[in-house]
Amino acid sequence: SQQGEEDPQALSIQEGENATMNCSYKTSINNLQWYRQNSGRGLVHLILIRSNEREKHSGRLRVTLDTSKKSSSLLITASRAADTASYFCATSKSAGTYKYIFGTGTRLKVLA
Amino acid sequence: DAGVTQSPTHLIKTRGQQVTLRCSPKSGHDTVSWYQQALGQGPQFIFQYYEEEERQRGNFPDRFSGHQFPNYSSELNVNALLLGDSALYLCASSLETPRETQYFGPGTRLLVL
Repeated sequence: SQQGEEDPQALSIQEGENATMNCSYKTSINNLQWYRQNSGRGLVHLILIRSNEREKHSGRLRVTLDTSKKSSSLLITASRAADTASYFCATSKSAGTYKYIFGTGTRLKVLA
Repeated sequence: DAGVTQSPTHLIKTRGQQVTLRCSPKSGHDTVSWYQQALGQGPQFIFQYYEEEERQRGNFPDRFSGHQFPNYSSELNVNALLLGDSALYLCASSLETPRETQYFGPGTRLLVL
């Protein structure tokens, strides 16, 4: 079963625009991560945010976490065609667990 | 520095057969996790191996089993294949500490006919 739900399921934007995708989850978490997947191949880790953090930045990526609403958002600024991919959030319930539960993903298409 | 490698890249089997998928972790990594990703879905955790033992398992039947070797490489075995086992199988490696950052291989795409 999936823990998280990404919203929207699909997003199409023009190059240079910002892309925002959201992740909602069901239970309390220790940390939340965002991954990118190109063309159904391996996933690439983008950023990790812990439950006691509210915002993190990495290059053109900005992640927020609202534990009261059990939601997170990923913002990609100044998008490029190379950002076209599926984006997934993954949550870990506790520091002692080794299991990450992935959401259903947002398919982002950046048009040149 | 080689990343996570998986073999084979593609595989076609028929119902009832058995399959073995292989994973070599990123250099220096001692922990291997396996995920199943059905088409259009997110990856689902199968199990994780550390020090040659399975230490956590997702909601998968006993038909799914694994092994980790002393060199940290790992195998995923699936017996009595079902049509629903058709998926992309992903291997991820990490260090025990910190274990949150996983590096994924390119996956093995399994088709069961």
